[in-house]
Amino acid sequence: AQRVTQPEKLLSVFKGAPVELKCNYSYSGSPELFWYVQYSRQRLQLLLRHISRESIKGFTADLNKGETSFHLKKPFAQEEDSAMYYCALSGRNYGGSQGNLIFGKGTKLSVKP
Amino acid sequence: NAGVMQNPRHLVRRRGQEARLRCSPMKGHSHVYWYRQLPEEGLKFMVYLQKENIIDESGMPKERFSAEFPKEGPSILRIQQVVRGDSAAYFCASSPREPGELFFGEGSRLTVL
Repeated sequence: AQRVTQPEKLLSVFKGAPVELKCNYSYSGSPELFWYVQYSRQRLQLLLRHISRESIKGFTADLNKGETSFHLKKPFAQEEDSAMYYCALSGRNYGGSQGNLIFGKGTKLSVKP
Repeated sequence: NAGVMQNPRHLVRRRGQEARLRCSPMKGHSHVYWYRQLPEEGLKFMVYLQKENIIDESGMPKERFSAEFPKEGPSILRIQQVVRGDSAAYFCASSPREPGELFFGEGSRLTVL
């Protein structure tokens, strides 16, 4: 069955430290993966998608098909990065729409000064 | 362009009552998606609609739940004869196209007493 796993419920780092938010998935077919972020008192919003291969706010994520992972990384964390981060997989491969996203349970990132 | 608007933000119902949640997509968006988030869980896809059509309802419970997106007016998620297990946050997202980026509302929090 398709599934997204974020093993860490909470990740706490100091400002300037590297950060890695883990995401593993199970799929059948070619995955389309996304990272969404929800800052305090704000809406859930798209941070990045693997097909874009872009860096947003210093974050990058590489799809590793061998390890079925899509970890989110940033070399130097900032206090404003503190938020809830969700990894998501598109359900399009299973006959659904691309908006049929399978979300992980989320990781709360706390960046301390 | 106002974001996706959901109302009510908070709704309290007693067991057996009906709950109606409304979602107005962003201007120019004709694709609407509903998600449910149970406590301590990730968002779970429920249904995808375009104007007057249900495109993908693979995540909708078979009974008591229905959704519509009429030609005029907001999309409605309707839950009949609510039970305590329906207590959750219900998120709506809209997109200008499929596939396309999802823009989320702030959610409607349903509490069933």
